[in-house]
Amino acid sequence: QSVLTQPPSVSGAPGQRVTISCTGSSSNIGAGYDVHWYRQLPGTAPKLLIYGNINRPSGVPDRFSGSKSGTSASLAITGLQAEDEADYYCQSYDSSLSDSRVFGGGTKLTVL
Amino acid sequence: EVQLVESGGGLVQPGGSLRLSCAASGFTFSNYEMNWVRQAPGKGLEWLSYISNSETIYYADSVKGRFTISRDDAKTSLYLQMNSLRVDDTAVYYCARGDSGGWYYFDYWGQGTLVTVSS
Repeated sequence: QSVLTQPPSVSGAPGQRVTISCTGSSSNIGAGYDVHWYRQLPGTAPKLLIYGNINRPSGVPDRFSGSKSGTSASLAITGLQAEDEADYYCQSYDSSLSDSRVFGGGTKLTVL
Repeated sequence: EVQLVESGGGLVQPGGSLRLSCAASGFTFSNYEMNWVRQAPGKGLEWLSYISNSETIYYADSVKGRFTISRDDAKTSLYLQMNSLRVDDTAVYYCARGDSGGWYYFDYWGQGTLVTVSS
């Protein structure tokens, strides 16, 4: 099982808003370490979507936003589009392990 | 344009060895920390190893003592020597550039190379 917990799947209709949660603990998200999000389209490599909890790399539309509170973080996607159908992963740092970068188990987003 | 291109994957028997390479271009390789991340078939992402630009190294417990990360700044390349391979090491292996600001994220990824461990 992954150090960070994500729901296995979420779904939404085109145009709707969905959120994906990422729950950690006092040794990672709760310790103040930042949360980052990646999107992985089928058959491709992951791509950075959100870094430092709330920041979007150049080229990522503002339909994607991140937040963090306590031991959890969330990714929100508004104006859902068919091409958003992908796997989404959260990632942070955990101080209880050997300088470990840790991932969530991933969430499959289905656009209905 | 930042590019990371992995190579060296393939089919290997349990107990065997394999060396993966990652050729980097489009940025000053020597200035960046680098990582290896893998993804087993149908599974999530697993961070494996990190090497800083001053060659500080860390490993996940799952590969410590079996895998060795290294880099050659002159060749702008990253390597992963994998020994004592097990069936559960079967995965796509990605090299990923670490951010330059100490935030612990991966800002660019390669396309991955598939390693299959099977008899």
